[in-house]
Amino acid sequence: QVQLQESGPGLVKPSQTLSLTCTVSGGSISSGSYYWSWIRQPAGKGLEWIGRIYTSGSTNYNPSLKSRVTISVDTSKNQFSLKLSSVTAADTAVYYCARAPLGIGDFDYWGQGTLVTVSS
Amino acid sequence: EIVMTQSPATLSVSPGERATLSCRASQSVSSNLAWYQQKPGQAPRLLIYGASTRATGIPARFSGSGSGTEFTLTISSLQSEDFAVYYCQQYNNWYTFGQGTKLEIK
Repeated sequence: QVQLQESGPGLVKPSQTLSLTCTVSGGSISSGSYYWSWIRQPAGKGLEWIGRIYTSGSTNYNPSLKSRVTISVDTSKNQFSLKLSSVTAADTAVYYCARAPLGIGDFDYWGQGTLVTVSS
Repeated sequence: EIVMTQSPATLSVSPGERATLSCRASQSVSSNLAWYQQKPGQAPRLLIYGASTRATGIPARFSGSGSGTEFTLTISSLQSEDFAVYYCQQYNNWYTFGQGTKLEIK
């Protein structure tokens, strides 16, 4: 059974960089059969896809966030990471990592989510 | 960006009754649509992909239909554990989600 687990600081100051890591267990991130994504959800609101990475390191980002987002992968640790720069209060949200099978596009496994608050 | 619009925002249904949730895309997404269930404090759970295929372990009372721009999620006989928020998501052109439908007990 695949499991994803987000980790990182729960509080980030405005204008700084938010950094989160997703650790995958129960399966290899290098299997080549999946895209690995970050998705966020402000309190009481809907879901927003941030971006994705493939095992090769190839990335795609939501155009609305592209200028501030970097997603990377560390296959040796079975992890992928998110960096979001120049954060504001509008970036306060629960951040999820999730897996999407190649060629389908639905998110079949999700992490439990981690709340990141942007505040001074 | 493809905009996904769900209706109604809130649906009140009694246990044992049928619930019908709608999702409309701003342009055709073919059958590249998924449905998720989310309960408070939990991550979304995949219910349906390919517009009509149930994900592993999803009860048969959940069914999806539609293609192009109009989609429906039907829950045939509501159980207590089905009251939650439901999201549709298109993956025809990157990924976008609807704003959700809250299914509440009547």
